[in-house]
Amino acid sequence: GQNIDQPTEMTATEGAIVQINCTYQTSGFNGLFWYQQHAGEAPTFLSYNVLDGLEEKGRFSSFLSRSKGYSYLLLKELQMKDSASYLCAVLDSNYQLIWGAGTKLIIKP
Amino acid sequence: GAVVSQHPSWVICKSGTSVKIECRSLDFQATTMFWYRQFPKQSLMLMATSNEGSKATYEQGVEKDKFLINHASLTLSTLTVTSAHPEDSSFYICSARGSGDSQPQHFGDGTRLSIL
Repeated sequence: GQNIDQPTEMTATEGAIVQINCTYQTSGFNGLFWYQQHAGEAPTFLSYNVLDGLEEKGRFSSFLSRSKGYSYLLLKELQMKDSASYLCAVLDSNYQLIWGAGTKLIIKP
Repeated sequence: GAVVSQHPSWVICKSGTSVKIECRSLDFQATTMFWYRQFPKQSLMLMATSNEGSKATYEQGVEKDKFLINHASLTLSTLTVTSAHPEDSSFYICSARGSGDSQPQHFGDGTRLSIL
């Protein structure tokens, strides 16, 4: 079966750095997405990785290792507005998007 | 860029009513649109995928006669919940993707549906 694992919840402090991990087992791989979803709102696109390595976009970076079936989202200089759920999603061999359950990130002052 | 508009944002109606939700891509052509449902504190559940001009593909367990999807143009898809009942109350979210299977999905703001 297809499976995406990410922690259910994480807590971090304002101004700090947090890393949200995602591991996947899917039938094929055509890329991995990270989305942010605030409570009661729809997801917004953060990043897309298809090759190994680190993609940096401002305070957010996303890393991929295809051989390990592993990705992480790194958030720097955390702000209170970063409190949200972060969803990892993988495009399988049929270009179907397989969604993780999301990681709820709580930022404390 | 990549703005998706979804209307209405909120719907409250009586049991037995049919409700139509619109999803529009405002600044790009959406070859494929997706409809999701999300219950509180749960993950996104894909209901169906629609390509412009063809019939929607429904996920297992989703009744196609209850959730009617029309994708008549490259910028508009509609979801009609027919004869809605309280158990259909949920957060419905559409997303749109441009040409290219590896393109990201861009989401509308969602529709909160409450059936009394």
